Amino acid sequence: LAKITQPISMDSYEGQEVNITCSHNNIATNDYITWYQQFPSQGPRFIIQGYKTKVTNEVASLFIPADRKSSTLSLPRVSLSDTAVYYCHVGFQSGNTPLVFGKGTRLSVIA
Amino acid sequence: KAGVTQTPRYLIKTRGQQVTLSCSPISGHRSVSWYQQTPGQGLQFLFEYFSETQRNKGNFPGRFSGRQFSNSRSEMNVSTLELGDSALYLCASSGRTQGTGELFFGEGSRLTVL
Repeated sequence: LAKITQPISMDSYEGQEVNITCSHNNIATNDYITWYQQFPSQGPRFIIQGYKTKVTNEVASLFIPADRKSSTLSLPRVSLSDTAVYYCHVGFQSGNTPLVFGKGTRLSVIA
Repeated sequence: KAGVTQTPRYLIKTRGQQVTLSCSPISGHRSVSWYQQTPGQGLQFLFEYFSETQRNKGNFPGRFSGRQFSNSRSEMNVSTLELGDSALYLCASSGRTQGTGELFFGEGSRLTVL
């Protein structure tokens, strides 16, 4: 079972790039890494997913080194509306392993 | 299309009672998973159902149970409620049969145990 560690909180100023790193030392071969964003009183929302190297979409990039024991979510030029909790998720829906989330990183964006 | 719907949104129970929460997944999604969210603990996986079968279970006591119906709607039940069961219970659905598909979450059911 993947054990996931991520920072509890981070602060950033508007316009800066924010990098949130997630550690998952015992990630399994089939596991994917997914990041979710959660605002108060809402369920988490998918941001990005990857297996290895780099993935980029319109809102974020995900960097995964060759050993896949960590991953970094990169948010370019954050705004106040990016203030939220970000969850790292490691797993594979195969019926064999539970779906594991980190405890979340609370990002506060300051004007 | 409609998102994941959870009912009720809020409920208050007393210790020793039981509670049943409902989750209607996105149409066509056959996988439903449940999570408990408490401050400081993040999202803790309870169980996952696919085509009416539980195929994954987290590390929770037997007081927590669930089921899935033929229309993919799912319910979870907590019996003999304890104060520590107060939490936001989230369900998520996925359209992937296998592999890691995107999870679509509902807004949750907030349970308070007095």
